[in-house]
Amino acid sequence: GAGVSQTPSNKVTEKGKYVELRCDPISGHTALYWYRQSLGQGPEFLIYFQGTGAADDSGLPNDRFFAVRPEGSVSTLKIQRTERGDSAVYLCASSLRQGTYNEQFFGPGTRLTVL
Amino acid sequence: QQQVKQSPQSLIVQKGGISIINCAYENTAFDYFPWYQQFPGKGPALLIAIRPDVSEKKEGRFTISFNKSAKQFSLHIMDSQPGDSATYFCAARDTDKLIFGTGTRLQVFP
Repeated sequence: GAGVSQTPSNKVTEKGKYVELRCDPISGHTALYWYRQSLGQGPEFLIYFQGTGAADDSGLPNDRFFAVRPEGSVSTLKIQRTERGDSAVYLCASSLRQGTYNEQFFGPGTRLTVL
Repeated sequence: QQQVKQSPQSLIVQKGGISIINCAYENTAFDYFPWYQQFPGKGPALLIAIRPDVSEKKEGRFTISFNKSAKQFSLHIMDSQPGDSATYFCAARDTDKLIFGTGTRLQVFP
């Protein structure tokens, strides 16, 4: 049983460029979450999907950030016009379903560096 | 806005000792309190979790103590081992998302 996988593991880009980060959740997990972890900090919530729809996107910092999950499995986090402040580790997590006490399983993250 | 406060920021413990990490929260709507362990270059992994209607939960060497009236909870690691050296995060569930503390870097020396 594979865990949550994220690609790429590292991404270096230049300020102003567009990036896409991919998350493959655990098979059968209907809930998918994106978090961002800055150096020395805890993960911060970005967006949550239940199935194909974004149930809560209140953590997205601005309209440069967008995420999709078109078939209810793989998700892509998209960042337009990247800024140096976007540099962080982007973590994806999945859980069996929405609801109380369902463990969120985290992937290893994508380290994004904006030069 | 930090909703979960965690201390200490770092902790050094001798092998066999007890490691204690504390967290406090304000939002009484939080309904689930997990602790995550994170090694460098890895994602956080669930260690142990507690619901607010329980005052203590123990799993092996790891214990959560929960004080609902004080809005505080803590992680105790008994008989700490060098392999426990990692960063630990407390968290609280808000509807569907986890709110994390700032983390505690634990170093256990032989």
